[in-house]
Amino acid sequence: NAGVTQTPKFQVLKTGQSMTLQCAQDMNHNSMYWYRQDPGMGLRLIYYSASEGTTDKGEVPNGYNVSRLNKREFSLRLESAAPSQTSVYFCASSEGTGGADTQYFGPGTRLTVL
Amino acid sequence: QQQVKQSPQSLIVQKGGIPIINCAYENTAFDYFPWYQQFPGKGPALLIAIRPDVSEKKEGRFTISFNKSAKQFSLHIMDSQPGDSATYFCAALSGGYNKLIFGAGTRLAVHP
Repeated sequence: NAGVTQTPKFQVLKTGQSMTLQCAQDMNHNSMYWYRQDPGMGLRLIYYSASEGTTDKGEVPNGYNVSRLNKREFSLRLESAAPSQTSVYFCASSEGTGGADTQYFGPGTRLTVL
Repeated sequence: QQQVKQSPQSLIVQKGGIPIINCAYENTAFDYFPWYQQFPGKGPALLIAIRPDVSEKKEGRFTISFNKSAKQFSLHIMDSQPGDSATYFCAALSGGYNKLIFGAGTRLAVHP
């Protein structure tokens, strides 16, 4: 089992460019999450999906959109990248639809916006 | 607004020492408190978790102490090893919600 996979691993964008971060899990989990990690701020939830076909905002959703393509895949889109979106992005998944489940994280995508 | 406050930001101990990382919260609706461990270049991984109906939980060399009245919880690592060098995050969650709130993280270095 690969667990949670993310692509790409690294990306450099110019201000105003768009891109989509891809995430897939092979554990048949119901819930999927997108976080950003910034120095001194821990991990902050951007969006999550408790089940296929549903998505909801987290703490820092502005500037992002998500798509739960199917049970396995959950993508994060930056429509017009800004330097403030320079961060490390983590996707995670958990088995249940509630929150008190172990979340399994991917290896992360390091994004730099110039 | 940081709902879970974690300290210290960084910590250096010698091998065999007992590093202690502390977290405090305000929201009394929180009822699940996990700790995640993250090695450089990797995603976080669940280390241990506790619910407020117990005051302590041990898993191997890792112990969570929980003080419900003070709204504080801490992670203790017994007989720390260089392989424990990582960043540790506490987190909290309110029942019925999917939103884990993370602390800012503590970078631990265990020197041989």
